[in-house]
Amino acid sequence: DTGVSQNPRHKITKRGQNVTFRCDPISEHNRLYWYRQTLGQGPEFLTYFQNEAQLEKSRLLSDRFSAERPKGSFSTLEIQRTEQGDSAMYLCASSFLAASTVGTQYFGPGTRLLVL
Amino acid sequence: AQKVTQAQTEISVVEKEDVTLDCVYETRDTTYYLFWYKQPPSGELVFLIRRNSFDEQNEISGRYSWNFQKSTSSFNFTITASQVVDSAVYFCALSDDYGNNRLAFGKGNQVVVIP
Repeated sequence: DTGVSQNPRHKITKRGQNVTFRCDPISEHNRLYWYRQTLGQGPEFLTYFQNEAQLEKSRLLSDRFSAERPKGSFSTLEIQRTEQGDSAMYLCASSFLAASTVGTQYFGPGTRLLVL
Repeated sequence: AQKVTQAQTEISVVEKEDVTLDCVYETRDTTYYLFWYKQPPSGELVFLIRRNSFDEQNEISGRYSWNFQKSTSSFNFTITASQVVDSAVYFCALSDDYGNNRLAFGKGNQVVVIP
């Protein structure tokens, strides 16, 4: 049983460039979450999907950010016109939501973004 | 709004000592879930334990144990007989029982185990 995977693990980009990250959740998990973590802080919620539907976006997710989960499998997070303040670790997590239980979220290794 | 507070920032212990991490939470929900995650230097968040709000029984799992007290909104975590591999940042997190179930994290406790 493979865990959550994320690619790339590291990304260095210049301000103004677009970047895209990918997350592959645990195969049977129907929920997928994106979080952002800056140095010395805990992760902060960005958005989540249930199957292919994006059900909520945090106020942290500006118009430059877009996330997709086509076919309810892998997900991509794109940041357009990157800014230095976007430098952070982007974490993906997945869980299985059943009728009567809240699934535990399992995290991937993260993508560390540095915007120069 | 949900909030998690981890007051201690860095804790250093000598190997084989016990270390207890404090977590205080705020929520208006009557049913919720509490978690502890470990983040080693590699960066990946590793799930450790989970407790729901309607079960206050404290348990032990290997070298890990937790003390959940609803009356004081605390969910403390103890590592017994610490090892160097326990050096990591530990996060306490809170999730509601409905809707998005997103996790609200504390700022984390940096644990340094000195050999």
